[in-house]
Amino acid sequence: GAGVSQSPSNKVTEKGKDVELRCDPISGHTALYWYRQSLGQGLEFLIYFQGNSAPDKSGLPSDRFSAERTGGSVSTLTIQRTQQEDSAVYLCASSLAGGFQETQYFGPGTRLLVL
Amino acid sequence: QKEVEQDPGPLSVPEGAIVSLNCTYSNSAFQYFMWYRQYSRKGPELLMYTYSSGNKEDGRFTAQVDKSSKYISLFIRDSQPSDSATYLCPRLGGYNKLIFGAGTRLAVHP
Repeated sequence: GAGVSQSPSNKVTEKGKDVELRCDPISGHTALYWYRQSLGQGLEFLIYFQGNSAPDKSGLPSDRFSAERTGGSVSTLTIQRTQQEDSAVYLCASSLAGGFQETQYFGPGTRLLVL
Repeated sequence: QKEVEQDPGPLSVPEGAIVSLNCTYSNSAFQYFMWYRQYSRKGPELLMYTYSSGNKEDGRFTAQVDKSSKYISLFIRDSQPSDSATYLCPRLGGYNKLIFGAGTRLAVHP
């Protein structure tokens, strides 16, 4: 079956511009996570959605970052006024219900380069 | 101290070698341990998981947990070039989010 998909695969933008990154989770998965992987750094958690519950935004690095999930499915991560330090691979993952020890399935990521 | 510590490598071995990858946690309270594998330009995928109560074997891969539950190892027997990837051993945080270390890059050369 189809896995987690993300678009675009690559995004090059200029400093100060806004970008939107999209994630399509596995059909039927109610839990969705965003992570960021910077060059030479490990993956770091950004935000978590579970059903209609309020998202866990504890990992967002600044108020320039926001995310939404429409209809409990597709999610969009928005970065406003991008900075060069935002350059990274942004990964999305989904799991069936966000239960403890559930396997998370990752998408291929969006590679963002801020010039 | 980082929550999850891994030697970033790269670790370069010849095909057929036995590989040992290690991971250290700052907290011994964890009981569930995972190994993820990430190929270049791909997202991580769960390779295997185990519990603090014992080791687990899956084909050429064995996950071993130290009794202190602060140190785990992944052994790869008869390593293949297709095993070349970054290996990650995240711990579980609140809401099931994964907390990663830097990962260890492995290169198996023919």
